Amino acid sequence: EVQLVESGGGLVQPGGSLRLSCAASGFTFSTFSMNWVRQAPGKGLEWVSYISSSSSFIYYADSVKGRFTISRDNGKNALYLQMNSLRAEDTAVYYCARRGMSCSGSNCYVEYWGQGALVTVSS
Amino acid sequence: EIVLTQSPGTLSLSPGERATLSCRASQTVSSSYLAWYQQKPGQAPRLLIYGASSRATGIPDRFSGSGSGTDFTLTITRLEPEDFAVYYCQQYGSSPPITFGQGTRLEIK
Repeated sequence: EVQLVESGGGLVQPGGSLRLSCAASGFTFSTFSMNWVRQAPGKGLEWVSYISSSSSFIYYADSVKGRFTISRDNGKNALYLQMNSLRAEDTAVYYCARRGMSCSGSNCYVEYWGQGALVTVSS
Repeated sequence: EIVLTQSPGTLSLSPGERATLSCRASQTVSSSYLAWYQQKPGQAPRLLIYGASSRATGIPDRFSGSGSGTDFTLTITRLEPEDFAVYYCQQYGSSPPITFGQGTRLEIK
């Protein structure tokens, strides 16, 4: 059974930093690209960042570029999101998301989602 | 960037009725790379449809997707009480890797 478990969320002041982790199990993590997707309270889904299976390709949404860093450790089956210079508008539930099986290239649908980690940016 | 516009914003129907949800793209979605998700309060989204019309594993056949180019539709025949939720479309045929529509709320009438 595929499982994605996020951790590291919490309350942080504006300008602060936070690191999210996602522990993956139930599949060969090293062969799948991964994403972070967020959802502000009462709002829709917003893609945040993408990392290819070998970390060769990384993309960010314009809203987080230069402030967030995605990374992964295939030996630990773990995905990370380092978030710096946090703003109030970064307040959201952050989902770890695994691509589907039936697509090619970097673009794909999300077949599996974690339960989400809440990040609240407030003074 | 491809912008996805979902309509209606809210759809009020009764159990047993048929629901038709629309997703319109600002540009052609290549290869019908369009997915649909269902999200219930406090839960992560769940994949329903990918490739515009392929049902994900375990999804009941009352859910169906159709369309191509810029116009896509999610149809739910014979609504069940558990189908009332928010539905999102997503395109994956163009950069950035993922973009979502703003969602359609399906509520009980």
